[in-house]
Amino acid sequence: QSVLTQPPSASGTPGQSVTLTCSGSSSNIGTNFVYWFQQLPGTAPKLLIFKNDQRPSGVPDRFSGSKSGTSASLAISGLRSEDEAHYYCLAWDDRLSEYLFGTGTEVTVL
Amino acid sequence: DVQLLESGGGSAQPGGSLRLSCAASGFFLRRYAMSWVRQAPGKGPEWVAGISGDGGSTDYGGSVKGRFVINRDNSKSTLSLQMNSLRVEDTAVYYCTKGHETSAVPESWGQGTWVIVSS
Repeated sequence: QSVLTQPPSASGTPGQSVTLTCSGSSSNIGTNFVYWFQQLPGTAPKLLIFKNDQRPSGVPDRFSGSKSGTSASLAISGLRSEDEAHYYCLAWDDRLSEYLFGTGTEVTVL
Repeated sequence: DVQLLESGGGSAQPGGSLRLSCAASGFFLRRYAMSWVRQAPGKGPEWVAGISGDGGSTDYGGSVKGRFVINRDNSKSTLSLQMNSLRVEDTAVYYCTKGHETSAVPESWGQGTWVIVSS
């Protein structure tokens, strides 16, 4: 059972911005990097943000990550229909000695 | 291009065993940590196990610790997951993943292989 908590859903209209949150604790987000994944329907997750705020090559700069204390955020600006997906955060947990995925947020473009 | 091809999935009864394999190509395997990640139907992904580039260090998710064993053969460019004492809740698609930089964070993913545990 994940201890990284994400709101189950978020939505916006095309062109709008949406911010997703990931809440953890001192043993995971508080001391380790946060990663974000995008999962389109029927596909494997894709790494979207690494080490809190870095984008792999090919990821649009509409996606940005940040971290503060025991929480992290993923912002999507200029929302597009192709951004409809599930988004998951991930962090190593020092107490459990394992990687934890967040509970996931489903983004809907209205 | 990185390619990860899983095999060995299928059906098993509770208490049974299965062995998953992953054939890796397109990158120098021994330089990267690798992980297995699973995803049950309608659920989010769950990190199952990870192994360092040289195979000397392994970590496991709490739900599989003591039942699953991750291993690698760099000479054959393969990763494996031995799954014992299977439970119904182990039913999921299992992905082989290549680590990001020096970590076991999943960067590249295979297509996945299904494991169904049912009596």
